[in-house]
Amino acid sequence: ETGVTQTPRHLVMGMTNKKSLKCEQHLGHNAMYWYKQSAKKPLELMFVYNFKEQTENNSVPSRFSPECPNSSHLFLHLHTLQPEDSALYLCASSQGRGTDTQYFGPGTRLTVL
Amino acid sequence: AQSVTQPDIHITVSEGASLELRCNYSYGATPYLFWYVQSPGQGLQLLLKYFSGDTLVQGIKGFEAEFKRSQSSFNLRKPSVHWSDAAEYFCAVGAGYGNKLVFGAGTILRVKS
Repeated sequence: ETGVTQTPRHLVMGMTNKKSLKCEQHLGHNAMYWYKQSAKKPLELMFVYNFKEQTENNSVPSRFSPECPNSSHLFLHLHTLQPEDSALYLCASSQGRGTDTQYFGPGTRLTVL
Repeated sequence: AQSVTQPDIHITVSEGASLELRCNYSYGATPYLFWYVQSPGQGLQLLLKYFSGDTLVQGIKGFEAEFKRSQSSFNLRKPSVHWSDAAEYFCAVGAGYGNKLVFGAGTILRVKS
């Protein structure tokens, strides 16, 4: 596969469930990102990882827990979510620490019941 | 801090007509500027970017954008729109250091035949 892939593409979960979103990049990049895209709101940056280290947490609630085991993989662990967390979650990657083109995956459409 | 304004939430153009999508940014130094496109249910795809040099930038799918420092603008243009261009378009600005991009709220383009 090429580019940035995300699984699952769609996820429905209850408020008491625990689930994980997975992102994998095949571009040899060293930075990875999680974004949240809600209806009628701008794209919100959630987390940034550079060389596996978290360098940005944009005041995200602790019910979202990211994990970056290596530069190619990024996870978002979800637990006790709220209905307002329903959104499209986008993963992106870029070359490194400086401002550079971010390449996006197709996203995971999350619905919290 | 950077910010981006896309004044038009929706734009409708006829197929074959010209297109201009507006983007205004706020940033004290020379910004790094991007235009992305998102089709329904998909991730964001890079159309073009400006880092330095020629202020008229060519991108994919026949799009171009012009950086105008005096107007703090980076408007996206296409001389003849195709029905397949119907999508949401996002302008983004980066500081040139650090990974963070700030996105505008997006402009939804509708193409009528």
